[in-house]
Amino acid sequence: TQLLEQSPQFLSIQEGENLTVYCNSSSVFSSLQWYRQEPGEGPVLLVTVVTGGEVKKLKRLTFQFGDARKDSSLHITAAQPGDTGLYLCAGANSGGYQKVTFGIGTKLQVIP
Amino acid sequence: KAGVTQTPRYLIKTRGQQVTLSCSPISGHRSVSWYQQTPGQGLQFLFEYFSETQRNKGNFPGRFSGRQFSNSRSEMNVSTLELGDSALYLCASSLMGINEAFFGQGTRLTVV
Repeated sequence: TQLLEQSPQFLSIQEGENLTVYCNSSSVFSSLQWYRQEPGEGPVLLVTVVTGGEVKKLKRLTFQFGDARKDSSLHITAAQPGDTGLYLCAGANSGGYQKVTFGIGTKLQVIP
Repeated sequence: KAGVTQTPRYLIKTRGQQVTLSCSPISGHRSVSWYQQTPGQGLQFLFEYFSETQRNKGNFPGRFSGRQFSNSRSEMNVSTLELGDSALYLCASSLMGINEAFFGQGTRLTVV
């Protein structure tokens, strides 16, 4: 069974601070997605990274895929209250058909 | 283009009853996956359907079943409900596989 470990599981920071959350595995993934989920809603796809070492930016969010495609990080610059939510990473591996594994998530609270 | 639609949004059932949840994927998407989300376990994969065939299955008991229709709409059924089945049930659609999934808002099931 492939496992994705996310850290930290909980994070409470002040508005304007920077933060990084991590997603680690011992398995290699063909692609990795990051989602944000708000309470009572479904996860919303933020980004997909595919190439080892790839870096993608989405406004104040920077996503990086590890060189070995086993880990990823999400960095938020100058966090805002609107960034509050559960951040999930999901890794897909290619086999006969693709299967996706989700991490348990990082619950982020940004305090005004 | 319309997103993934899940009905109903909320459901309260009694132990021992059965329940059917519905998911309409994004137009053109042929893959539909179902997940159970609870605070302690995170997102747990139930099953994936592609072109009316179950292609992938998670580690859930046989009380959990699903199907997909020719128009790609999917239903999930849980029989003999238990208190532990209380959860947010999420449906995700994707074009071909279960990577880069787009989620519905979920059905919040409460078993009393």
